[in-house]
This record gives sequence, C-alpha cells and structure tokens, in this order.
Amino acid sequence: AQTVTQSQPEMSVQEAETVTLSCTYDTSESDYYLFWYKQPPSRQMILVIRQEAYKQQNATENRFSVNFQKAAKSFSLKISDSQLGDAAMYFCALYNTDKLIFGTGTRLQVFP
Amino acid sequence: GAGVSQSPSNKVTEKGKDVELRCDPISGHTALYWYRQSLGQGLEFLIYFQGNSAPDKSGLPSDRFSAERTGGSVSTLTIQRTQQEDSAVYLCASSLNFRGMNTEAFFGQGTRLTVV
Repeated sequence: AQTVTQSQPEMSVQEAETVTLSCTYDTSESDYYLFWYKQPPSRQMILVIRQEAYKQQNATENRFSVNFQKAAKSFSLKISDSQLGDAAMYFCALYNTDKLIFGTGTRLQVFP
Repeated sequence: GAGVSQSPSNKVTEKGKDVELRCDPISGHTALYWYRQSLGQGLEFLIYFQGNSAPDKSGLPSDRFSAERTGGSVSTLTIQRTQQEDSAVYLCASSLNFRGMNTEAFFGQGTRLTVV
C-alpha cells in the first residue's frame, strides 16, 4: 500500500529565513511522481513543485526546492527567503498506480 | 472553464437528508478525483475516475457514499442519509492524464458540508 507521512504538524519560520518541511513515503512502484501542494486559508490547493522519481536531479521552482532521496523514500521541501504569503498548509503527495495520495499536512506559520 | 468548478461552495443540511455535490472538471481532463478533508486534517481519497474505465471506489467510507461521472465530464458525489461525521470539505480535482508529465491535479475550491 502507498503511504505518505508528514511528521511535522506545525512549523514556523521568520520572514526571509529558510525552512524545510519533511515528507516520507512508501511505495513498491519504481515509477511514480511526488508533489508538494500549498493550501492557503482560501482552501484552494496550489501545486508548488513536482518531482519525477526517475529523475535524480532535485526539482527547483524559484524559492522552492526539494531534497529527493529515493533510496530513503524521503521528499523534503525547502522554502528559501520565506515570505508572509508562504503561510499555509503544505501537503506532500504521491502519485502512482493511478491514485494520488496525500500526507496529513504541515501548517507553516511565517513571522515578520 | 478556466479551472475546476465545484458547487455549492457551502451546504448546510439536516442529519438524515441526502446531498449532492457537483464537480465540473477542466475541459479535456480525463482523470477526476474526489477527496474529503475534515477540519485541520489531510485529504482522504474517496474515488477516482479515469476516462471510460471503471472508477476506483476504494476510498468511499460507506455505502451511503456514491459518485458518478456523466459523459466523462461532470461528476456528482452523493451522500445519502447524512450523518454529523460527514461534515467536512469535499474537494474535487482533475488532471489531463494519468501517465507521463501531465499528472498535475488541479483542484476546485471545495464544498464545505455541514450536517446539523
């Protein structure tokens, strides 16, 4: 069975600092995709970043980057130069075997 | 439309009543998902439609829950004889494909269901 685990229910960071959100997953498939989604108070889920499992290079999108450790089944999200607008729930998700499975989320607070 | 549209955005219903939640996916998207998000919790997978294939209903919590997708487009999630524990936000998502690069799921804004 596929599982996604986010062990940090809440995190906080000072504006302009860097924060890392953790995610581990389990799957028996070799071909899969990993995602980080952001959910602000508006409830709208927004894709932050995507990683294909067959790619060794870590994905990067502006201030957002991932540390993908395939052997360890770890997929952490690093947010650099944090901004007040980054405050939200962040969900890690695993896609394979036609199903998109989410972790329980990490609430990120950003302090000025 | 430009994005995934869900209606209604909020629904209050009495315990025991039936409710229907609607999802209009992005035009051309073959995959459609329903999730349930209880207050402060993660997304619980309910059901998945892919093209004309039989849906994956493995996440439906009870036989009071059902969903259909007509013409490969609009989907309706029906909850019969609602219970208070059904209160949650119901999110719908669609994606272009289920293989390859186009696996990004686009979400609607959800329907907040409150059972009183």
